[in-house]
Amino acid sequence: DGGITQSPKYLFRKEGQNVTLSCEQNLNHDAMYWYRQDPGQGLRLIYYSQIVNDFQKGDIAEGYSVSREKKESFPLTVTSAQKNPTAFYLCASIRGQPSSGANVLTFGAGSRLTVL
Amino acid sequence: AQSVSQHNHHVILSEAASLELGCNYSYGGTVNLFWYVQYPGQHLQLLLKYFSGDPLVKGIKGFEAEFIKSKFSFNLRKPSVQWSDTAEYFCAVIKAAGNKLTFGGGTRVLVKP
Repeated sequence: DGGITQSPKYLFRKEGQNVTLSCEQNLNHDAMYWYRQDPGQGLRLIYYSQIVNDFQKGDIAEGYSVSREKKESFPLTVTSAQKNPTAFYLCASIRGQPSSGANVLTFGAGSRLTVL
Repeated sequence: AQSVSQHNHHVILSEAASLELGCNYSYGGTVNLFWYVQYPGQHLQLLLKYFSGDPLVKGIKGFEAEFIKSKFSFNLRKPSVQWSDTAEYFCAVIKAAGNKLTFGGGTRVLVKP
């Protein structure tokens, strides 16, 4: 089955540690996105990438970093500079642009990060 | 910057009741609009979308939404809910030809059997 795989599903880390969340898609989608979901705040865009080796900051990029070395992979690193990293992180992908009409974002199952 | 507001954070209703969830956005230009749903323990999935044409859009599971451009609104409705509609619902907007989908804060809906 085609889809988006996020790992790990649950992750605990100590303050001051960096952690990398994996996102892999086998849908041959062009664009990939990272969102952060917090209760009452919906989904907020962290980073997105339209093509390999290119990515743009979203609305809350501070304290995060990404890479897009392969079309199917878009890992997110939560650095120690992120002040409130405990959250649910969602990866999504789409063929073409989300404003094209014919295509919609496909989401992964998410990764829940807890900082102790 | 565009923003999306969902007026109710929590809604509790009984089966067979009607549901309406409000959504307003701030961008004045041409937009495309979406409602997504997240059932407990499941992936976020698309309920319906509006890009052009008839402002009354029908989606899956009996949901519909009406785009009212003059009010910058895209409210979601269902005439008669079921217990299985218990979920969190998110409104989202993107500028035409844009790359960034902006979500509202979400509304948690609990349908009592």
